Amino acid sequence: ETGVTQTPRHLVMGMTNKKSLKCEQHLGHNAMYWYKQSAKKPLELMFVYNFKEQTENNSVPSRFSPECPNSSHLFLHLHTLQPEDSALYLCASSQAANPDTEAFFGQGTRLTVV
Amino acid sequence: GENVEQHPSTLSVQEGDSAVIKCTYSDSASNYFPWYKQELGKRPQLIIDIRSNVGEKKDQRIAVTLNKTAKHFSLHITETQPEDSAVYFCAVLMDSNYQLIWGAGTKLIIKP
Repeated sequence: ETGVTQTPRHLVMGMTNKKSLKCEQHLGHNAMYWYKQSAKKPLELMFVYNFKEQTENNSVPSRFSPECPNSSHLFLHLHTLQPEDSALYLCASSQAANPDTEAFFGQGTRLTVV
Repeated sequence: GENVEQHPSTLSVQEGDSAVIKCTYSDSASNYFPWYKQELGKRPQLIIDIRSNVGEKKDQRIAVTLNKTAKHFSLHITETQPEDSAVYFCAVLMDSNYQLIWGAGTKLIIKP
């Protein structure tokens, strides 16, 4: 167990639904990330939070809305998604003050949009 | 911005043989190059990394080599075993904002 936990592990949602993904880390890290992993594509960085402040938003559509209430928790709120948003969503954390340190990943949420 | 290319996308080797995966990058200011392994249904995990002040690093059957001049680095796995079957991702740390830029991944298949 790496200390990064994501829930739920699997999610099926309709295009009109609203759902949220949750990520929790107990490693004492101060940076958290959302990645999208689609088949045969590089890991796509979506959002970065350093010390609870969002520092990166890599041109992600507004139907994805992140929230970081504290340095241990990260959410990804989803609404009116499209079928092409189906993917594995990975959360990761690291120690922001030491950039070349290991990124610890959660096991991911497998999202299917129908 | 940084661009990372990883080859091959799929690699099939006989058990016991060696496997080599290569990544090229574009930003010469990058100084940190990790490799992650993702087994089927599991999370990516760091297996080895290298910093730009060295040209090679080894950890048992795994090694990484870095050529900063040519802007490429490679993962070498010797005496491959079934448990080496996974997807391997290279990454490059951007010096400007400390973001990791990832390769597309290589699916390594070890044939018995």
